[in-house]
Amino acid sequence: DVVLTQTPPTLSATIGQSVSISCRSSQSLLDSDGDTYLNWLLQRPGQSPQLLIYSVSNLESGVPNRFSGSGSETDFTLKISGVEAEDLGLYYCMQATHAPFTFGSGTKLEIK
Amino acid sequence: QVQLRESGPVLVQASETLSLTCTVSGFSLTNFGVIWVRQPPGKGLEWMGIIWRNGNTDYNSALKSRLSINRDTSKSQVFLKMNSLQTDDTAIYYCTRDLGDYWGQGVMVTVSS
Repeated sequence: DVVLTQTPPTLSATIGQSVSISCRSSQSLLDSDGDTYLNWLLQRPGQSPQLLIYSVSNLESGVPNRFSGSGSETDFTLKISGVEAEDLGLYYCMQATHAPFTFGSGTKLEIK
Repeated sequence: QVQLRESGPVLVQASETLSLTCTVSGFSLTNFGVIWVRQPPGKGLEWMGIIWRNGNTDYNSALKSRLSINRDTSKSQVFLKMNSLQTDDTAIYYCTRDLGDYWGQGVMVTVSS
């Protein structure tokens, strides 16, 4: 199974600060169809996860454009340009290229 | 409007079988797959398995021997069954559309010894 290594496990940021989360895969996530199925999700406290970014860099509808994703093959990054208070929670990367799909271990974003 | 709703028992005895239902609306199970995900208290998300739109399934390697996912397309329902439950199967169980764009609210299942 694909292993996703997410770093850092915890992130503390002030309002307005820009932060990045890394997700590294144990194998390439480039699918034979040419797409790369690496998604980013946010789970706010007490809520279900929500999709932020799909296929590496595509912003899900309704998600603020301060969120952006980049990367390829095995190395991926989620960037938040100007953290807001509502961004606190747990961030997960998830790969959907190779079944069984897998999640990263999560990054907890705290607001200072 | 796309919705998913999990239902099932909140308390199950160890060694018994868990049966959960995910009822969907706003889309067809023949057009989208459904994934089951669980989250033990205070821990991260664990991908359990998927039933694809064609009815095929894939499972988490660690759960494969005791997990099955089926569906009734006429009722827009997806079913999860997992046997030989242990206390570390205590978790919130979610269903989500295969794109990950819509999630249910989750159901907290406690396995009692």
